[in-house]
Amino acid sequence: GAVVSQHPSWVICKSGTSVKIECRSLDFQATTMFWYRQFPKQSLMLMATSNEGSKATYEQGVEKDKFLINHASLTLSTLTVTSAHPEDSSFYICSASGNSYNEQFFGPGTRLTVL
Amino acid sequence: GNSVTQMEGPVTLSEEAFLTINCTYTATGYPSLFWYVQYPGEGLQLLLKATKADDKGSNKGFEATYRKETTSFHLEKGSVQVSDSAVYFCALSKDNFNKFYFGSGTKLNVKP
Repeated sequence: GAVVSQHPSWVICKSGTSVKIECRSLDFQATTMFWYRQFPKQSLMLMATSNEGSKATYEQGVEKDKFLINHASLTLSTLTVTSAHPEDSSFYICSASGNSYNEQFFGPGTRLTVL
Repeated sequence: GNSVTQMEGPVTLSEEAFLTINCTYTATGYPSLFWYVQYPGEGLQLLLKATKADDKGSNKGFEATYRKETTSFHLEKGSVQVSDSAVYFCALSKDNFNKFYFGSGTKLNVKP
């Protein structure tokens, strides 16, 4: 199957700072990328869907000004958590799909801890 | 609306025991159904899938059959191993795989 990577795999930051998480499709062109958030012992919550070259579509209740998503190329999407606070601490997972695939491929996740 | 319900864990089994993790869904139309596995500290990996009624997905000894009449997609394995210890997520997808709905996950612990 196709490979999706995330960087960094974990990050610790101070409250009030911004953190950028990268999601890359390594061997295919990802026309659509998705960002999920996973709380401890809970399921994945879809935060937003982004198509290359267009603005992301955010799920209800997700603050688009806090979670900035950019999908500038067919292999890279970024999620920036702005002015992070401890309640933003979570496991963030991206996934990607391409025109020639009928499934989503998930990245390994990024664990964010805000102190 | 669309949703997935799966049995709460944790499920603790001895090695070589039979595994069943129940999953039922609610959806309009004809969704595709998936089982994903998440090992500690890692992202989700596709375990198996079925795209239409009566299809059976299988992989690594795991099986699940898409039952439209009971809206179920139960995961089974005849003989679990310690290495199967992980969290298992049932999911459905509609709209050409552009939106996934996940169950809450079931943690499986297999003891030697």
